[in-house]
Amino acid sequence: GAGVSQSPSNKVTEKGKDVELRCDPISGHTALYWYRQSLGQGLEFLIYFQGNSAPDKSGLPSDRFSAERTGGSVSTLTIQRTQQEDSAVYLCASSLVGTAGETQYFGPGTRLLVL
Amino acid sequence: AQTVTQSQPEMSVQEAETVTLSCTYDTSENNYYLFWYKQPPSRQMILVIRQEAYKQQNATENRFSVNFQKAAKSFSLKISDSQLGDTAMYFCAFLIPQGAQKLVFGQGTRLTINP
Repeated sequence: GAGVSQSPSNKVTEKGKDVELRCDPISGHTALYWYRQSLGQGLEFLIYFQGNSAPDKSGLPSDRFSAERTGGSVSTLTIQRTQQEDSAVYLCASSLVGTAGETQYFGPGTRLLVL
Repeated sequence: AQTVTQSQPEMSVQEAETVTLSCTYDTSENNYYLFWYKQPPSRQMILVIRQEAYKQQNATENRFSVNFQKAAKSFSLKISDSQLGDTAMYFCAFLIPQGAQKLVFGQGTRLTINP
């Protein structure tokens, strides 16, 4: 596609429910990143994929967070048993091969509100 | 750990004026990359400009230029002939070209261009 796309654009859920956030990277990009943007923490790295593998999951805030990537393309970030502190904008980015200093291109994000 | 500091939470200038956004960072690494991203109300992070630390020449992109002072660990963004469409949040980001290529962001500067 022309750019990184994310869905849904906005998601409102109740505390304790599970949510899935989707990211479609730029076609041909093998590296994919998830970041979270919240009022209190700013922009923080969550996880990185190279192909379908996630060599760095160091930013995932708890074991309620998981992510997968299939076919070297679409990625899904899943948050189980959502908490109010999970409310944030979740941004996805992709880059061509994930090599040194490569520019990351961002999607429009998913705004998650946990009531 | 690497940190990025943007000391100006908000700035406001008149259209056509020149404005400079400040960014400092802390690292013990010698090889790294620096970026300025723009985030308009649409939420999508857009790359404005990037700088490789090993290059002494300051990067420029049309009306956007940087003043990169490696010894001082400073990376300011200058916007010349500012336009209404430049109104956005601006984030300075740092990347070490190893492993996950994770971006470390500053807290952002909200820039408003007034007509």
